[in-house]
Amino acid sequence: DTGVSQDPRHKITKRGQNVTFRCDPISEHNRLYWYRQTLGQGPEFLTYFQNEAQLEKSRLLSDRFSAERPKGSFSTLEIQRTEQGDSAMYLCASSAAPGRGEDYGYTFGSGTRLTVV
Amino acid sequence: ELKVEQNPLFLSMQEGKNYTIYCNYSTTSDRLYWYRQDPGKSLESLFVLLSNGAVKQEGRLMASLDTKARLSTLHITAAVHDLSATYFCAVQTTSGTYKYIFGTGTRLKVLA
Repeated sequence: DTGVSQDPRHKITKRGQNVTFRCDPISEHNRLYWYRQTLGQGPEFLTYFQNEAQLEKSRLLSDRFSAERPKGSFSTLEIQRTEQGDSAMYLCASSAAPGRGEDYGYTFGSGTRLTVV
Repeated sequence: ELKVEQNPLFLSMQEGKNYTIYCNYSTTSDRLYWYRQDPGKSLESLFVLLSNGAVKQEGRLMASLDTKARLSTLHITAAVHDLSATYFCAVQTTSGTYKYIFGTGTRLKVLA
């Protein structure tokens, strides 16, 4: 397993266009998280999947954002009608299910850097 | 709601000096992570602290966790230029989503 993969690494789009990002987690991990990091800030939680179920969404995830994880494998994050304020690094992470005493920390992907012009 | 605060936000220090970055959080957790981030890059894991009193050291960096005080520290010993980066702490919630809440980051610049 090569870790968490994100594609593309960089995306430049014009305002108003739709974009979709993909995340391939570590195969044994049933938990998947999306974060957004704007310049000079810490990563902020967007959404969480356990297997194929989306169990939590941040209020940061406006109606223009949608995330899926079909069959509990890879995940996609789509942004419709992009705005300049959507410019950020989008980070995906996966983790194993928690167990007593075990480190069920995240493995992060390399991120997708979105620039909306 | 879990809140995580780091200080200082910016730190400029001379090579060879020592300094400590502080990470305070607002609710109970015994799972805290430190990351390094270089400009334009993703997060690099530095330390995993999973219990009260945990102390980890790697090279010139040492991290500790005091869950009773809800405080973690990242101590830098004899700083070198290569340590220049942004450092984040992240506290993991211990139920439900087990999500991370990140601090605001400390931007460290080590001057030669």
